[in-house]
Amino acid sequence: AQSVTQLDSQVPVFEEAPVELRCNYSSSVSVYLFWYVQYPNQGLQLLLKYLSGSTLVKGINGFEAEFNKSQTSFHLRKPSVHISDTAEYFCAVISKSGTYKYIFGTGTRLKVLA
Amino acid sequence: EAQVTQNPRYLITVTGKKLTVTCSQNMNHEYMSWYRQDPGLGLRQIYYSMNVEVTDKGDVPEGYKVSRKEKRNFPLILESPSPNQTSLYFCATRDITNYGYTFGSGTRLTVV
Repeated sequence: AQSVTQLDSQVPVFEEAPVELRCNYSSSVSVYLFWYVQYPNQGLQLLLKYLSGSTLVKGINGFEAEFNKSQTSFHLRKPSVHISDTAEYFCAVISKSGTYKYIFGTGTRLKVLA
Repeated sequence: EAQVTQNPRYLITVTGKKLTVTCSQNMNHEYMSWYRQDPGLGLRQIYYSMNVEVTDKGDVPEGYKVSRKEKRNFPLILESPSPNQTSLYFCATRDITNYGYTFGSGTRLTVV
């Protein structure tokens, strides 16, 4: 079975500061990894994904994430945030076998302060 | 434009009154799924469908039904809604090869 842990439920950060949103996972098999963003009153939108290849993945809106297999982590980073990045961010994994079922974390609410 | 369309966006209903939330996608994807989102619990899968006439239970299927008669449509049916089904519901679809989901805008359901 897989699980996803997003340790920080809320992260406040000032505009133009860097941010890191943490995601750790547990799985007995290899996984694919994803980050989604949810703006207020909207559905989730795919930010980036890791399927294979380079462990540093770049996504939309200037976000990037690094897959660290030894630490079973997939932290999301942005070097300089904007007010418009205020949203909830979800990490997710799917196993590379079986039904490829998604397991979502409980989300991290990023609040960018002026 | 790739879209997942859910209706209605908001719905307030009374306990026991049957309702249907519609979902339609224009991406020709085989895989479709329904989730509910509750504070502190993240997203939990209700049902999914890997193709027409093929549906299966997710993690929280009790009290829900689905059907997949056409590839593009995947309605969620609550035969007898109860207050514990008050939630934010999302329909989503994905390509079977790249695994990234496209979500609808959500349906906020309140059962009183």
